Amino acid sequence: GAVVSQHPSRVICKSGTSVKIECRSLDFQATTMFWYRQFPKQSLMLMATSNEGSKATYEQGVEKDKFLINHASLTLSTLTVTSAHPEDSSFYICSAEGAGGRSDTQYFGPGTRLTVL
Amino acid sequence: RKEVEQDPGPFNVPEGATVAFNCTYSNSASQSFFWYRQDCRKEPKLLMSVYSSGNEDGRFTAQLNRASQYISLLIRDSKLSDSATYLCVVGWGGSQGNLIFGKGTKLSVKP
Repeated sequence: GAVVSQHPSRVICKSGTSVKIECRSLDFQATTMFWYRQFPKQSLMLMATSNEGSKATYEQGVEKDKFLINHASLTLSTLTVTSAHPEDSSFYICSAEGAGGRSDTQYFGPGTRLTVL
Repeated sequence: RKEVEQDPGPFNVPEGATVAFNCTYSNSASQSFFWYRQDCRKEPKLLMSVYSSGNEDGRFTAQLNRASQYISLLIRDSKLSDSATYLCVVGWGGSQGNLIFGKGTKLSVKP
């Protein structure tokens, strides 16, 4: 149980295009989802926290208009990188926190490798 | 079979105890191995990389057994501040590859 999936696992796109990454909790309801990114040789950095049905809370330095987060249901959150540029190339990973017995524990997705040419 | 498996715990230990965490991974092509520490509702932070020769950082010792596809983390003389979730992380595909996070093992150190 407690499986989180991400799609796509890898994406290569041209500069200026928008990329959508999906994060799904497959067997539990995720009241909160987290989006992280990791640049090479650095640790994970939290980008934003999203609660189902409300606006995401962004960490300092993360542009909310560039990284659009939608958490429309208890099993799906999406991150859209708008007008992606090479400096956005990174590893994006989501995690989901459930309710009840699965609260206070984050389950990580497999991540998405974004390469912007 | 899950790609990275850890005992979820929780491990409840007294201060000063030695505690060991184990992790197994399924992809024999995995190339990099890490232990991350995550405090409640905070982002995971890299604790240490794990090398085939084993490595030590203060009270923390990490071991890797490629043949058995097994990684361990040993914490000696545990402190209250060690209470956290410890995530086993495996990487593949080189610098352009992905990381697979285990579900983590929760540690609670009691006075």
